[in-house]
Amino acid sequence: DVKVTQSSRYLVKRTGEKVFLECVQDMDHENMFWYRQDPGLGLRLIYFSYDVKMKEKGDIPEGYSVSREKKERFSLILESASTNQTSMYLCASSFRLRGRRGYTFGSGTRLTVV
Amino acid sequence: QKEVEQDPGPLSVPEGAIVSLNCTYSNSAFQYFMWYRQYSRKGPELLMYTYSSGNKEDGRFTAQVDKSSKYISLFIRDSQPSDSATYLCAIPRRTGNQFYFGTGTSLTVIP
Repeated sequence: DVKVTQSSRYLVKRTGEKVFLECVQDMDHENMFWYRQDPGLGLRLIYFSYDVKMKEKGDIPEGYSVSREKKERFSLILESASTNQTSMYLCASSFRLRGRRGYTFGSGTRLTVV
Repeated sequence: QKEVEQDPGPLSVPEGAIVSLNCTYSNSAFQYFMWYRQYSRKGPELLMYTYSSGNKEDGRFTAQVDKSSKYISLFIRDSQPSDSATYLCAIPRRTGNQFYFGTGTSLTVIP
């Protein structure tokens, strides 16, 4: 089974800090994604990448950046954390196999900015 | 109008009940539909997928698509406490590598 691993389950950071969220997948998938999940708002796409060193903005990229230096690793960066970035962050890689496609998600990082 | 909409619930049922979870979608061109299950403090996992029209069954779970009314449903028979989770419907975006997600329906099955 594909595994998507997010390095931290829970993080507490101070306003203004630079925050790094790390994600690693082990199935050589090209496509990786970062979402945030908030009650009542569902999953919102922040950034995605279809290849090494490639990145594309999703629906809510403001205040975030990403890095993809290696195919298996996709990092989300909060340049200057703010309280409205308190959320559950989910990393995913996409698969497509014999008519079946979708995402494999990591377990998520619950970030609190104080 | 959102591409996919889902009643957030919460839904609370007794063990053994039949559960119906529903989403509506806006674009009649959609042909592939998914249901994800998300346990508390975990990431979503793909539960079922189906192509347009008809039903797909997997154990106690049945995914149904009604293209005429642009309605997708997930039925859970003989619900168990272990089914307590949030269920999200999802539909591919035009690119095929990204998906629109419903906001999720929280389900609690009471023993």
